[in-house]
Order: sequence, then structure tokens, then C-alpha cells
Amino acid sequence: NAGVTQTPKFQVLKTGQSMTLQCAQDMNHNSMYWYRQDPGMGLRLIYYSASEGTTDKGEVPNGYNVSRLNKREFSLRLESAAPSQTSVYFCASRRLSGGPTDTQYFGPGTRLTVL
Amino acid sequence: DAKTTQPNSMESNEEEPVHLPCNHSTISGTDYIHWYRQLPSQGPEYVIHGLTSNVNNRMASLAIAEDRKSSTLILHRATLRDAAVYYCMGMTTDSWGKFQFGAGTQVVVTP
Repeated sequence: NAGVTQTPKFQVLKTGQSMTLQCAQDMNHNSMYWYRQDPGMGLRLIYYSASEGTTDKGEVPNGYNVSRLNKREFSLRLESAAPSQTSVYFCASRRLSGGPTDTQYFGPGTRLTVL
Repeated sequence: DAKTTQPNSMESNEEEPVHLPCNHSTISGTDYIHWYRQLPSQGPEYVIHGLTSNVNNRMASLAIAEDRKSSTLILHRATLRDAAVYYCMGMTTDSWGKFQFGAGTQVVVTP
């Protein structure tokens, strides 16, 4: 099991460019999440998908779009990158859609710099 | 979700126990307490979770106060590999698994 994988590991963009961050999990999990982490801060939720076919906004969704392509894959798109989106992006997955006890598994992160 | 408060940092010597406190005075009766840790340049990883009674696993122990307004994560013998940021978070039944991360506690382990 690879767990949660993310591509790319690093990316540098210019302001206004677009890109898609890819995330895949091989654990047959229902829920998937995208977080961002700014330097010295905790993670903040951007979007989540409680099950295949559904997506919902998290705490900081502005400037992002997501696609739950299938049960395995959940992508995050920046349509017009801004320097404020410079951050480390983490994808996570969870077996259940609801419930308070399930463990969340995180990917290794994508370090994005917007110049 | 319960709001949590943790100290910014804690230091420990190697091989000694570390007690990490977390205050969650707004917790509801059905909120679970989860602990995750984040090693340098990695994504967070699960440590432990509990509801009312104390919990143990191979990584740590979780002691939850009787009134559930606070809890303590116990690393029994700190190693250099335990140097990380530790996050305490509440999770409700209808949260859809969404965590609200705070700044966490930076644990420094000295050889």
C-alpha cells in the first residue's frame, strides 16, 4: 500500500498561472481532504469530499476548485495563482464518510511557491 | 467542534516522559479527542484518540480528565524521533472528519 500520494512534490508558479495538484489513495477510503499549511501555522481545510461524487468547502476555499475524479483521486486546482497561495498543501483520506473516531491519513505534501 | 488550547512548546530530555496538556473546555459530551503529530517536513500522523477513559497504544497514552475539559498526551520515554509538533483536536459525530488544527505544541527532545 502506498497510502496517500501527492504530485508534484515541489512547484514554482508565476502569478496568474494555473495548475492542478493531484492526490490519490489506495486504501478504498470514502472521504478525502485538502489542507494548506503556512509557515509556523497549523493546517487549514480548503475543501473536502465526504464521499465519491460530493465536495464541500472548508475554511479557506477562495481561489481553489476541486474535483473528486473517482473514489481514489481528489485534485485541487488553482485557476490563477497568487503569492498568498504560497504554502504546503496536504491531501488526506479517511475510511468513513462520517463518525468521530476514524483515523485520517495524510500525504507527504506539495510545496508550492507563487512568485 | 471543541476549541483547544495547547502550550506553544515543551522541552524534554531523551528517555524521559513527556506530558503534553490540552485544554478543551467547550467540548461536548460526544466529542472525541484526537492527537496527531507532524514530524519535520512531513504530513501529520495519527497518535491516539479517546472519549472518556484513558487510552493506551504503542505510541502514547491519553489521559482524559473526569470533566473532559482537558486531556494529557503522555510519551513515556521520549526519543529524538518524537521531536515534532503535536496537535490536539476535537471531533464531533457530524464533522465529516474535518479537523480544525491549531498551532500545536512543538516538542523539543534533547539528547
